[in-house]
Amino acid sequence: EPEVTQTPSHQVTQMGQEVILRCVPISNHLYFYWYRQILGQKVEFLVSFYNNEISEKSEIFDDQFSVERPDGSNFTLKIRSTKLEDSAMYFCASSEDTRDRVYNEQFFGPGTRLTVL
Amino acid sequence: DQQVKQNSPSLSVQEGRISILNCDYTNSMFDYFLWYKKYPAEGPTFLISISSIKDKNEDGRFTVFLNKSAKHLSLHIVPSQPGDSAVYFCAASGSGTASKLTFGTGTRLQVTL
Repeated sequence: EPEVTQTPSHQVTQMGQEVILRCVPISNHLYFYWYRQILGQKVEFLVSFYNNEISEKSEIFDDQFSVERPDGSNFTLKIRSTKLEDSAMYFCASSEDTRDRVYNEQFFGPGTRLTVL
Repeated sequence: DQQVKQNSPSLSVQEGRISILNCDYTNSMFDYFLWYKKYPAEGPTFLISISSIKDKNEDGRFTVFLNKSAKHLSLHIVPSQPGDSAVYFCAASGSGTASKLTFGTGTRLQVTL
């Protein structure tokens, strides 16, 4: 069964450093998302991406964050200068584009645990 | 921001009995509702969904009920199995194929033998 994959599973970084979290969405999916879950809190939307541009972003997704689809398979989230409060589990998700449906379910990867020291 | 609320942080049910997980929402613009299941150290796994134009959707042991007037939905699992033990998240979305999901805080279900 096709699945979303994410690397690395755990990333430890020093405050102020740049990190890139990587995702490989399901191959026939066209919509891509990043969410995060701070320990003990709910899963929060960060950004959605379609047709090589951001569709929607939350207030969390400030100038320190960026997303990119550098090739036909990868989808990345970059945090330019990490802060302590960026420590969280980051989930990538994808959904397909079938125009005869009202909504397409999002399928999530296993997550990357980011620890900022 | 408490647009989607799951008021029960945990629930314990005996194997074979029914598990009922509840979710309330406040935003009447939500158009689509989903339930995800999450094991530790894994991502949320899609379980079942329901459109706002329906009041029930069933898939095997899982049934989701939607009461739009009460802004309430519930997930029924019958019969409950030990493998169902996980955290269950309710999520809601606006219309459109790529709308963001707004999640609840989750309910930890423990199915005991």
